[in-house]
Amino acid sequence: GAVVSQHPSRVICKSGTSVKIECRSLDFQATTMFWYRQFPKQSLMLMATSNEGSKATYEQGVEKDKFLINHASLTLSTLTVTSAHPEDSSFYICSARKPGYQETQYFGPGTRLLVL
Amino acid sequence: AQSVAQPEDQVNVAEGNPLTVKCTYSVSGNPYLFWYVQYPNRGLQFLLKYITGDNLVKGSYGFEAEFNKSQTSFHLKKPSALVSDSALYFCAVRDRGITGGGNKLTFGTGTQLKVEL
Repeated sequence: GAVVSQHPSRVICKSGTSVKIECRSLDFQATTMFWYRQFPKQSLMLMATSNEGSKATYEQGVEKDKFLINHASLTLSTLTVTSAHPEDSSFYICSARKPGYQETQYFGPGTRLLVL
Repeated sequence: AQSVAQPEDQVNVAEGNPLTVKCTYSVSGNPYLFWYVQYPNRGLQFLLKYITGDNLVKGSYGFEAEFNKSQTSFHLKKPSALVSDSALYFCAVRDRGITGGGNKLTFGTGTQLKVEL
């Protein structure tokens, strides 16, 4: 199997606070993980590529100081939304690429963030 | 640059009838092609993929897709639709010739499938 988990599934926070979202590959090691953002009724927007042991690669237009990514181990990547504002409210989805399995990406269940 | 087009925002089909969700792609090299399904407020579930070999790929839940290189298409099909198939379907492509940081999935805009009794 290839299971990816995310925690928390939902989070509500006040404007100005920081929120950390965890993404774990439960039954495989993932050297590469990805963070996406999805707006209602829209496709997934890739925010950044997270590589274990190195700095994340951010897509154009994504603020790396606002969306901090840490990939400290082969099974865990975290996304921290710093100083969150209402416009950061969204559905955040992570995925992990399973190596040696024709490089299929498996997705977590997503985290719904609401910033008040 | 690679891209994916899903020309239909929504597809409606009666339960028991065959369904097709269309996808066309553009890559500079040879593609890896994927279909994912998303249920409300959930992440994406992997359905099937084309890497190489047989153009007809069979996946989960009775779905299949046919890779057509000349038409650059990878349409998703199922012979007999179920109400429980109603969900949002995403086609995705990656250029197998690109490695490292550029080796990313590009998604289509999604097609909402609605299967009615």
